[in-house]
Amino acid sequence: DGGITQSPKYLFRKEGQNVTLSCEQNLNHDAMYWYRQDPGQGLRLIYYSQIVNDFQKGDIAEGYSVSREKKESFPLTVTSAQKNPTAFYLCASSRKGWDTEAFFGQGTRLTVV
Amino acid sequence: DAKTTQPPSMDCAEGRAANLPCNHSTISGNEYVYWYRQIHSQGPQYIIHGLKNNETNEMASLIITEDRKSSTLILPHATLRDTAVYYCIVRVAANSGYALNFGKGTSLLVTP
Repeated sequence: DGGITQSPKYLFRKEGQNVTLSCEQNLNHDAMYWYRQDPGQGLRLIYYSQIVNDFQKGDIAEGYSVSREKKESFPLTVTSAQKNPTAFYLCASSRKGWDTEAFFGQGTRLTVV
Repeated sequence: DAKTTQPPSMDCAEGRAANLPCNHSTISGNEYVYWYRQIHSQGPQYIIHGLKNNETNEMASLIITEDRKSSTLILPHATLRDTAVYYCIVRVAANSGYALNFGKGTSLLVTP
């Protein structure tokens, strides 16, 4: 089945540790995105990538890093510099163009203790 | 970038039509209106999108006013499984690629 997969679903880390969230898609989409969602809030854009080996900061990129070495993969690293890392993280992908829908993964809930 | 305004919450009786409004008075001519919904603790799901004509698919209908300053998402026969947060989104301009700019949406509660 084609789709976008995030793993793991739940993740616990100690404060001060870096952690990497996985996002894989087999939809042959060029564009991929990372969003963060806090309780009762909408989604905020962290990073996006329109093509392999290129990515851009979104609205809240501080404390995060990404890579896009392969078309199907867009991992997100939450670094120790992120002040409030506990959140629900969502990955999405889409074809290029303004008239295209985005497909979302099921999310990773990160808890930092 | 065009912003959207939605009511924070709405109720609808099961089996009735749910009409979810959205204002986007600063929308520009080439910006599409998208609707997504998010069931609790899941990733958002695409519902429908349009530019200026009304659109219908198996999930919903999208009615866009002639001046494009507002739209309404219609779920014709709401079920309990339609309880979710519904996001009205205007596609962000080029500085964010093709990313979608989510607000807080409307929390729809469908009651028996």
